[in-house]
Amino acid sequence: TQLLEQSPQFLSIQEGENLTVYCNSSSVFSSLQWYRQEPGEGPVLLVTVVTGGEVKKLKRLTFQFGDARKDSSLHITAAQPGDTGLYLCAGGLLANAGNMLTFGGGTRLMVKP
Amino acid sequence: ETGVTQTPRHLVMGMTNKKSLKCEQHLGHNAMYWYKQSAKKPLELMFVYSLEERVENNSVPSRFSPECPNSSHLFLHLHTLQPEDSALYLCASSQELAVYNEQFFGPGTRLTVL
Repeated sequence: TQLLEQSPQFLSIQEGENLTVYCNSSSVFSSLQWYRQEPGEGPVLLVTVVTGGEVKKLKRLTFQFGDARKDSSLHITAAQPGDTGLYLCAGGLLANAGNMLTFGGGTRLMVKP
Repeated sequence: ETGVTQTPRHLVMGMTNKKSLKCEQHLGHNAMYWYKQSAKKPLELMFVYSLEERVENNSVPSRFSPECPNSSHLFLHLHTLQPEDSALYLCASSQELAVYNEQFFGPGTRLTVL
């Protein structure tokens, strides 16, 4: 079983729709990062959340860190074809030395025009 | 060149070959990482270097051998690989080895082992 479970694994929607991607764990994380990866490229950081209950907004993207710091969500409003890609959450564990991130399995999003 | 670069971008090798992957970061970072990304598994951390010293080795088979000659360069030497080693190998760097630091990824090397 994965330490970080992402759902859904695949999502295909029409342009203009809203969506939410979830990242869940039974472990407490000191920080949670969301990355987006496009074909042929490495992941690119979107946001880092560190405080339980924290909400961050990046244009049409809203990120939330759960109160207990065990889960996170990414909500996209009015999705556009440019949002297509693989969304990865990554948790930093308190017990880990240094910058050791644990990645979820990813959510592959396709936004159709 | 800016950011994190990786060469080659694509590599096909036989199980008896010896090859090396190269990563270079132009960001002045002190920590560098190798990850393996397979189709059906989450991104797996393989090796971590901080100031050219290895600080993490996640039970990676000895057929993968990393080398960090300086803080800007990282190599992954490959020898007698197996077909299941076919994957996208990503290099990343961060300013320091701290849990909140952003990791900057290269584009990856797509490796196919025949």
